[in-house]
Amino acid sequence: GDSVTQMEGPVTLSEEACLTINCTYTATGYPSLFWYVQYPGEGLQLLLKATKADDKGSNKGFEATYRKETTSFHLEKGSVQVSDSAVYFCALMMDSNYQLIWGAGTKLIIKP
Amino acid sequence: GAGVSQSPRYKVAKRGQDVALRCDPISGHVSLFWYQQALGQGPEFLTYFQNEAQLDKSGLPSDRFFAERPEGSVSTLKIQRTQQEDSAVYLCASSLDRGRYEQYFGPGTRLTVT
Repeated sequence: GDSVTQMEGPVTLSEEACLTINCTYTATGYPSLFWYVQYPGEGLQLLLKATKADDKGSNKGFEATYRKETTSFHLEKGSVQVSDSAVYFCALMMDSNYQLIWGAGTKLIIKP
Repeated sequence: GAGVSQSPRYKVAKRGQDVALRCDPISGHVSLFWYQQALGQGPEFLTYFQNEAQLDKSGLPSDRFFAERPEGSVSTLKIQRTQQEDSAVYLCASSLDRGRYEQYFGPGTRLTVT
């Protein structure tokens, strides 16, 4: 079945470091891809999304490009801040469906 | 504007008790979803409503789980005769409609069964 695999955490970085969180997917068709973020004590929030191959989603300095050839949607940021500390989830949704299928989440810790 | 709200935020139940978890979606949102999130895992789909109609309950883990949305707004997830394996965070999300519309999530209800 359809699935999402993302890198295990926690990922610990210093402020202003570069970030990459890997996400790969398995799907029978052409899904939409999402990154959600969960800040401590808060609900999941959509961070960015891409709906077709080669689309780039971006928000709050984060970017991810939908790569069909490598079935990947890696999350990147050039310079992280302490306020980026959170759990990040990669997810997919098939065109014919409404269910989000999720990765296990990656906890990001940014130290000042 | 108001987001999705859930109550209670935390619930401790003794094994065998029944629990009811409430979700207030964003006003006007047609679609409502329930997910279960075990510790250290991503959410897993439980059930989906379009207005008051429960169109998909394929993710409900057993017949002890029951969800309703009688007037097409507030939804309740009920778990009967709770078991320890039911301990998880239960998330509610709503969206304008099904498909590629963004799902907005509530803060979740953390259920602990002792």
